[in-house]
Amino acid sequence: DAKTTQPPSMDCAEGRAANLPCNHSTISGNEYVYWYRQIHSQGPQYIIHGLKNNETNEMASLIITEDRKSSTLILPHATLRDTAVYYCIVNTGGFKTIFGAGTRLFVKA
Amino acid sequence: ETGVTQTPRHLVMGMTNKKSLKCEQHLGHNAMYWYKQSAKKPLELMFVYSLEERVENNSVPSRFSPECPNSSHLFLHLHTLQPEDSALYLCASSQATGIYEQYFGPGTRLTVT
Repeated sequence: DAKTTQPPSMDCAEGRAANLPCNHSTISGNEYVYWYRQIHSQGPQYIIHGLKNNETNEMASLIITEDRKSSTLILPHATLRDTAVYYCIVNTGGFKTIFGAGTRLFVKA
Repeated sequence: ETGVTQTPRHLVMGMTNKKSLKCEQHLGHNAMYWYKQSAKKPLELMFVYSLEERVENNSVPSRFSPECPNSSHLFLHLHTLQPEDSALYLCASSQATGIYEQYFGPGTRLTVT
């Protein structure tokens, strides 16, 4: 599975959009991009995933570049409860999932 | 109960003890997973079960012994652990094997003394 690169931490003001980038320049054609988050001392929570097209659900939007070498997770109106570690994972759907260090997002009042 | 539950939530055990962690999923899923999360380290996949059959043992020491008696229950039997085994142990389930949409339990915080 392809490796991902994320910034170690980011800040966001409450109520503003949080844009979390992920680089996956070695992604192959059959690999999906998944996003999870982990709030302190809890289990990870699935957010969204996509292959080529942009995706949106009730939690977030996922924007994947045309060459698929990078993506951005967008939380449209961040709240204090969105403070968490966000993981970008690239996977073909097999069970060898690799969670990296992720991005620690701090939402500030 | 809904989702994925884990018991106990906290466990302190000595190196000579034998204990078990329990996970139960109420989602009708066919795949279950054990992960380990040590302090300041990424999650590590330990075991994967699909339809009660183990499909992955990610080079985990034999002092960790998983058991999946049915598709709703998963156990992790612990014996002769080391202090470095202290970590958060997370259980997850999904409709099928693969990362698709994995639902995680709250974890068991294990401390080995």
